[in-house]
Amino acid sequence: KQEVTQIPAALSVPEGENLVLNCSFTDSAIYNLQWFRQDPGKGLTSLLLIQSSQREQTSGRLNASLDKSSGRSTLYIAASQPGDSATYLCAVSSYGGSQGNLIFGKGTKLSVKP
Amino acid sequence: GAVVSQHPSWVICKSGTSVKIECRSLDFQATTMFWYRQFPKQSLMLMATSNEGSKATYEQGVEKDKFLINHASLTLSTLTVTSAHPEDSSFYICSQQALETQYFGPGTRLLVL
Repeated sequence: KQEVTQIPAALSVPEGENLVLNCSFTDSAIYNLQWFRQDPGKGLTSLLLIQSSQREQTSGRLNASLDKSSGRSTLYIAASQPGDSATYLCAVSSYGGSQGNLIFGKGTKLSVKP
Repeated sequence: GAVVSQHPSWVICKSGTSVKIECRSLDFQATTMFWYRQFPKQSLMLMATSNEGSKATYEQGVEKDKFLINHASLTLSTLTVTSAHPEDSSFYICSQQALETQYFGPGTRLLVL
């Protein structure tokens, strides 16, 4: 059974700092991995999607890496801003050709202090 | 990206009542929608997969007679929590698949008293 773990559960940093969020999964047979952002009381926004054949994806100040063999992914946020404060979720899809069943971690709650 | 709406965003009800949550895709047609549930400080967990025009597929441990899903059109799926109890209080969120990405609704917070 696939399990996704995110470390740390919460993180508080001063504005401008670079930071790394970690995600690990127990079954390396994944189709893809996604990082989402969840704002309080709101839905999820997809940040980055990494296919199992890829090593990393970048979008603006965000960079996500994937090491499928070791079951790990990291989300790197450069020059953090207060607007980055949110809960970041990592999710893996283990069904080939379908996003169907996303297995989520519990998330990392990020707080960026001005 | 695609826009998904949910209604209501908040609902408080008495134990024993039924609650219906709507999930709409506003700018695309989705043959498949997903319903997730998130308890406090827990992960989002898939409850069921809703396919337009056919019966929903429920995950292990999710009672299909308690959580009724209807996906009658390509733009609307509904989740009805029947005879809700306090332990059903949770954050319910739907998503729709478009190409390589799932688009999530804003969620519905249910509190059963």
